[in-house]
Amino acid sequence: GENVGLHLPTLSVQEGDNSIINCAYSNSASDYFIWYKQESGKGPQFIIDIRSNMDKRQGQRVTVLLNKTVKHLSLQIAATQPGDSAVYFCAENIGYTGANSKLTFGKGITLSVRP
Amino acid sequence: GAVVSQHPSWVICKSGTSVKIECRSLDFQATTMFWYRQFPKQSLMLMATSNEGSKATYEQGVEKDKFLINHASLTLSTLTVTSAHPEDSSFYICSAILRRGAFFGQGTRLTVV
Repeated sequence: GENVGLHLPTLSVQEGDNSIINCAYSNSASDYFIWYKQESGKGPQFIIDIRSNMDKRQGQRVTVLLNKTVKHLSLQIAATQPGDSAVYFCAENIGYTGANSKLTFGKGITLSVRP
Repeated sequence: GAVVSQHPSWVICKSGTSVKIECRSLDFQATTMFWYRQFPKQSLMLMATSNEGSKATYEQGVEKDKFLINHASLTLSTLTVTSAHPEDSSFYICSAILRRGAFFGQGTRLTVV
């Protein structure tokens, strides 16, 4: 079946460097994508989202890029900080946020920030 | 942002007993909520969609008689794990999707001993 997957299980970066976390999705009908951050023992925390009619969206220190041609999603974190260490999930949704929509999560990648 | 509150945050129960987990939307009404299960170092797996005033919709492979979902009001959905066994030990998370995004509860760590 169609699924959302991540290329790398772990990512280690130096504090202050930029981080790029990648995600591949296979459901061409997905029209809404979200990146979440999850710290140990906590629920997912919303980071940034993007609709399929966009290819880039920026937030505070984070940027999400969407390439529908190759079904690829990425999260860029600028000036990575120790507090960014967590597991990151991409999630896709069909039907945006309508009543029948639901999220499907990717496998998750652990971001480890070296001091 | 919207707040989804989940209770309890952790629970330990004996094998064979039932456990109820509550999910509340604090500043909005949610006609639909979602229940996920997450095993260690794995992603969130959707278990079921909770619909206010009607039966829940379960994902394939999820036993509806074991994971009872009740969504009796627009601000409360409950998940009851019946006759819990050690293999049901997991992290259970609820969420609601609004037009401005999806919001998650804090999660409930269930340990069955």
